[in-house]
Amino acid sequence: KQEVTQIPAALSVPEGENLVLNCSFTDSAIYNLQWFRQDPGKGLTSLLLIQSSQREQTSGRLNASLDKSSGRSTLYIAASQPGDSATYLCAVRRNTGKLIFGQGTTLQVKP
Amino acid sequence: EAEVAQSPRYKITEKSQAVAFWCDPISGHATLYWYRQILGQGPELLVQFQDESVVDDSQLPKDRFSAERLKGVDSTLKIQPAELGDSAMYLCASSLGQGSEKLFFGSGTQLSVL
Repeated sequence: KQEVTQIPAALSVPEGENLVLNCSFTDSAIYNLQWFRQDPGKGLTSLLLIQSSQREQTSGRLNASLDKSSGRSTLYIAASQPGDSATYLCAVRRNTGKLIFGQGTTLQVKP
Repeated sequence: EAEVAQSPRYKITEKSQAVAFWCDPISGHATLYWYRQILGQGPELLVQFQDESVVDDSQLPKDRFSAERLKGVDSTLKIQPAELGDSAMYLCASSLGQGSEKLFFGSGTQLSVL
């Protein structure tokens, strides 16, 4: 059974700091891994999608990496801003098409 | 930019009542998903449609939950009767197909059962 874990559950950093969010999964047989952002009481917004054959994806200040063999992904946020405050969720997609989510990391960036 | 539409945005109901949620996916998206998200947790899949067919409903509590996508476009998720433990955010998502495409989520329906 695929399990997805995100550590830490919560993180508070001062504005301008670079930070890393971690995601681990137990079954390396995945199609892809997707990082989402969720603001309080809202739906999820896709940030980055990494295919199983890729090692990383970048979008602006965000960089996501994937290491299938070790069952890990990281989301790197450069020069954090207060507007980055949100919950970040990773999800792995199985060959059945089912998306398995982690429980999320809630980030607070203090001005 | 095209969006997944969901309604209502909020729903308050009493236990044992019936509730229904509606979702309209992005035009052309063949795959539609209903997820339930309890506060502080990640979303969990309830049901997945490919066009009008159910692909996965293994986590759907079928004694009280039902879902349909009759014409392969919009979808309705129903709960009857609602229970206190059903209080959660119900999220709809869509993608082009079952492959490796991105999922796009709606804003969700926040359900409170009193």
